[in-house]
Amino acid sequence: GAVVSQHPSRVICKSGTSVKIECRSLDFQATTMFWYRQFPKKSLMLMATSNEGSKATYEQGVEKDKFLINHASLTLSTLTVTSAHPEDSSFYICSARPPGTYEQYFGPGTRLTVT
Amino acid sequence: AQSVTQLGSHVSVSEGALVLLRCNYSSSVPPYLFWYVQYPNQGLQLLLKYTSAATLVKGINGFEAEFKKSETSFHLTKPSAHMSDAAEYFCAVTPTTSGTYKYIFGTGTRLKVLA
Repeated sequence: GAVVSQHPSRVICKSGTSVKIECRSLDFQATTMFWYRQFPKKSLMLMATSNEGSKATYEQGVEKDKFLINHASLTLSTLTVTSAHPEDSSFYICSARPPGTYEQYFGPGTRLTVT
Repeated sequence: AQSVTQLGSHVSVSEGALVLLRCNYSSSVPPYLFWYVQYPNQGLQLLLKYTSAATLVKGINGFEAEFKKSETSFHLTKPSAHMSDAAEYFCAVTPTTSGTYKYIFGTGTRLKVLA
C-alpha cells in the first residue's frame, strides 16, 4: 500500500516552454502533497505544500508564478514549470501524506532537463 | 528551530558488517522521526518511523532504529550489511506541534558496502 506515482519519469523541454508533472496517490487519498527539488548529491529541498482544494503554500525563495501547483483532487497534484530555463533542470520529487498520519510516501521522481 | 544532523556524509562498511548511520535532532519537543532510503534516480522509500510508541523501531530490510530522548538521537542500524544496502539514507523529522506536517531532512549519508 501507500504507492505514489509520478509522470513523466523523464522530460526534456526547450527553454521557454512549460512542462507539467503529475503526482498521484494510487491507493490512498492524500490530504497533503509536497513538492521537492533535489540537486545532484544533495538532500531534498521543499518547494511547496499542497492541500486539496486550496492554494499551495510555497517555501521562501520559491517563485509561485514559475512553479504552479494544483491539487484538484485527493489523489492528484500537478507541478507546472512555466517558461523553463536550463537552471530549472533538476530532479523533482513529490510526496503524499495519508490523512491522520505524519509520514510521507514519495513518488519515483521526475528528471527535468531544459535545453 | 528544529534541525537534523546526519554525522558522516559517506560511510563504508564491509559486507556482513554492522551498519550504523547517525541522526541527531534538535527540538524542544520530541518530534516524529523517519528514515528513508534512496537508490540512484529513484524516489525515497520509508524504512521506518518513530511516532512516540516503542522507542526501538524495526523497519524493512532488517533495519532498526532506537529513539533516545536523552541523546536526541535516532540512529539507524543493521546487524549485517548486504551489497544491496548501498544507497543514500536520509533522516527526517517533523514537529508534532506545528500542524504543517513538513519534514526537515538531514543532508543524507551515502552508504557504500565493500565486498
